[in-house]
Amino acid sequence: AQSVAQPEDQVNVAEGNPLTVKCTYSVSGNPYLFWYVQYPNRGLQFLLKYITGDNLVKGSYGFEAEFNKSQTSFHLKKPSALVSDSALYFCAVRDPPWRTGRRALTFGSGTRLQVQP
Amino acid sequence: EAQVTQNPRYLITVTGKKLTVTCSQNMNHEYMSWYRQDPGLGLRQIYYSMNVEVTDKGDVPEGYKVSRKEKRNFPLILESPSPNQTSLYFCASSLEGGNQPQHFGDGTRLSIL
Repeated sequence: AQSVAQPEDQVNVAEGNPLTVKCTYSVSGNPYLFWYVQYPNRGLQFLLKYITGDNLVKGSYGFEAEFNKSQTSFHLKKPSALVSDSALYFCAVRDPPWRTGRRALTFGSGTRLQVQP
Repeated sequence: EAQVTQNPRYLITVTGKKLTVTCSQNMNHEYMSWYRQDPGLGLRQIYYSMNVEVTDKGDVPEGYKVSRKEKRNFPLILESPSPNQTSLYFCASSLEGGNQPQHFGDGTRLSIL
């Protein structure tokens, strides 16, 4: 069964500093990997995805993520954090469609990012 | 504006009183899904639908029902709600294809007393 781990419940970073939110995964075959962000009282918003190709994926709001197959990781990064980046971040892996028809996203437990002014 | 709309946003009710949470999307998406979010557990899939009249169970389907009579709507039905169904619920939709991102509604917070 596939799984996603986000080892940090919370990450604190000062505004202007680089940030990293960690994610590791376990899946058979090639993973479809996603990052979503959740602001208070809102649904999840898609940030970026890795399907195939370049290991460095660029997404919305200046975020990027690095896919590392040997370490089974997909860490979210941003060179310079903003206070407005403070939110809950979820890493997710998707059922490969040839395995099941579900196309469900398996989510990590989430990491709260707090950017201090 | 492309969106997934859920109603109600908040509901407090009592054990055993049937309720329905509606979900509607205006993007002509084939795939729709319901998740529940609980602290420390992330989001878990309840039911999903590949297209009209095609639905199937997710990871935590017990106590829930769904229907997909029209492409845009995917209601979640709790026939006899219980306190362990107190949670934050999200509806999501996407185009067909495993690499398509899902679009989420703003959530429905249910409290079952």
